[in-house]
Amino acid sequence: GEDVEQSLFLSVREGDSSVINCTYTDSSSTYLYWYKQEPGAGLQLLTYIFSNMDMKQDQRLTVLLNKKDKHLSLRIADTQTGDSAIYFCAESQDSSYKLIFGSGTRLLVRP
Amino acid sequence: GAVVSQHPSWVICKSGTSVKIECRSLDFQATTMFWYRQFPKQSLMLMATSNEGSKATYEQGVEKDKFLINHASLTLSTLTVTSAHPEDSSFYICSARLRQGLLWYFGPGTRLTVL
Repeated sequence: GEDVEQSLFLSVREGDSSVINCTYTDSSSTYLYWYKQEPGAGLQLLTYIFSNMDMKQDQRLTVLLNKKDKHLSLRIADTQTGDSAIYFCAESQDSSYKLIFGSGTRLLVRP
Repeated sequence: GAVVSQHPSWVICKSGTSVKIECRSLDFQATTMFWYRQFPKQSLMLMATSNEGSKATYEQGVEKDKFLINHASLTLSTLTVTSAHPEDSSFYICSARLRQGLLWYFGPGTRLTVL
């Protein structure tokens, strides 16, 4: 079955880089996503990557995908206090309409 | 990017009453909309998939008679929580997917509190 796992909590100092990790079990995952959720709000799509890609960079965000190990990571460079939020990874397949979410990682950025 | 709205943003109701939550895609047509429930400090759990003009598809363990979904147009889906109880208190989030698209767009969520 589908399962997406994340570490629950990460604390970094402002200006440092943050790396949030995610593992998934379904080898037929086609698209992998990172979403950000601020308190009491919906989800904001940050970035996504196709399963045939290894890396994608978008400004301060870098996504790395290790398909062999089914491991996805999100690196946030120069982390700011405004980056404090919950980050969800999610996966979907071509053949499925579902978007399966990980448990979420709470990122705390200390001044 | 595409915009999805939800109404109301929060609602408090008495136990036994029904509550309707609306989800609208504002600048695109969504043949498929999704309803999620999120309990505090937990992830999003898919409740059902709402298809325009047809019956919703419910996930295992979700009572279709309790959570009524209607997708009457390409821009509107509604979720009605019938005979709400305190355990139904949660954050309900909808999302919409563009035709043949690979991106889901999420609404801001509706916080339901049942007294």
